[in-house]
Amino acid sequence: GENVEQHPSTLSVQEGDSAVIKCTYSDSASNYFPWYKQELGKRPQLIIDIRSNVGEKKDQRIAVTLNKTAKHFSLHITETQPEDSAVYFCAASDTGRRALTFGSGTRLQVQP
Amino acid sequence: DAGITQSPRYKITETGRQVTLMCHQTWSHSYMFWYRQDLGHGLRLIYYSAAADITDKGEVPDGYVVSRSKTENFPLTLESATRSQTSVYFCASSKQNTGELFFGEGSRLTVL
Repeated sequence: GENVEQHPSTLSVQEGDSAVIKCTYSDSASNYFPWYKQELGKRPQLIIDIRSNVGEKKDQRIAVTLNKTAKHFSLHITETQPEDSAVYFCAASDTGRRALTFGSGTRLQVQP
Repeated sequence: DAGITQSPRYKITETGRQVTLMCHQTWSHSYMFWYRQDLGHGLRLIYYSAAADITDKGEVPDGYVVSRSKTENFPLTLESATRSQTSVYFCASSKQNTGELFFGEGSRLTVL
């Protein structure tokens, strides 16, 4: 089955700096790569996703890049703000019946 | 619109007891999922369902049973709870397996 590895497990940045979280996946058939944000005590929520037919996708301060050859994808957050502090999960799946496989999560702390 | 709800939100039980966690969604989503969240492991898939009467094992199915007799309900049963099943359990639903997952608020289970 699919295996998703996520790094780093914790990340601390100063407000206004950029943050990058990286994930690798094992199954070359995977073609859907979402990112979820989970605030403390809350449920995970989708913040951005990318499919394998594109290499990059942006939404305001958030961007995701995908390198299918190397089987890795990354989340980039620019101009970080304290409200970006949360745990971020990457995930991967294919368009068959198989469900999402999540990475182990990255705890991002934005220092004011 | 209630969305997706889980019950109970908190449960304490003893080793060997049977426990059922309920999940109900009002969107008529085809797919439903059960994940457990443990520190350092992220979100691990227990079982998922593509439609009523169709269920598939995930990454960590041992010790769990699911059923999907109606589209809107997807209960998770621990037939004989063990301490290792102490976790936060999230139910989720989606229109398709590679679409946005909508998570419930989670059920925190403690097995003594």
